[in-house]
Amino acid sequence: DAGVTQSPTHLIKTRGQQVTLRCSPKSGHDTVSWYQQALGQGPQFIFQYYEEEERQRGNFPDRFSGHQFPNYSSELNVNALLLGDSALYLCASTYSLVYEQYFGPGTRLTVT
Amino acid sequence: SQQGEEDPQALSIQEGENATMNCSYKTSINNLQWYRQNSGRGLVHLILIRSNEREKHSGRLRVTLDTSKKSSSLLITASRAADTASYFCATGGRDDKIIFGKGTRLHILP
Repeated sequence: DAGVTQSPTHLIKTRGQQVTLRCSPKSGHDTVSWYQQALGQGPQFIFQYYEEEERQRGNFPDRFSGHQFPNYSSELNVNALLLGDSALYLCASTYSLVYEQYFGPGTRLTVT
Repeated sequence: SQQGEEDPQALSIQEGENATMNCSYKTSINNLQWYRQNSGRGLVHLILIRSNEREKHSGRLRVTLDTSKKSSSLLITASRAADTASYFCATGGRDDKIIFGKGTRLHILP
């Protein structure tokens, strides 16, 4: 049973560029959440997708957008990258009303 | 912004000793969860305690919740080298935003 997978593992981008990160949830899960984790900090909630709609959103600018596909996989898009966007981006999945989240290994984004 | 705040920020103990970490939060919650993270990798869910529960056990883990004080504690008994990691508390649930604290870095000394 595959857990949560994320791609790519590492990514280096230049300021002003755009990036797309991908996440496949654990089998049987229908809800995907994205988090940003800066070095030495806890994960910060970006948004959550359920039934292909954004259900909740954290305090992130509109440069951060996402999408959920019919197979429940999800993408996180970040436009006009800033140096401060450098972080580990984590995807987590869960099913319906179950609160326990399963996390992927993350994508390490470096903006230069 | 982060709701949970773990204390201490860092903790070093000898293998075999017990480790206690605390978490304080600011607003009412439905549940509180504890996660472990090894070396900047993905988080692993350890235990969830609901707002109407006071104590929960899972193997060597014991979690308490005091909603009147808006605090929780995680006790790891008989620590092992493999317990070296960062530990985070997270408040909320599926219909609420899950808010993580900054974490406690636990180092188990041989």
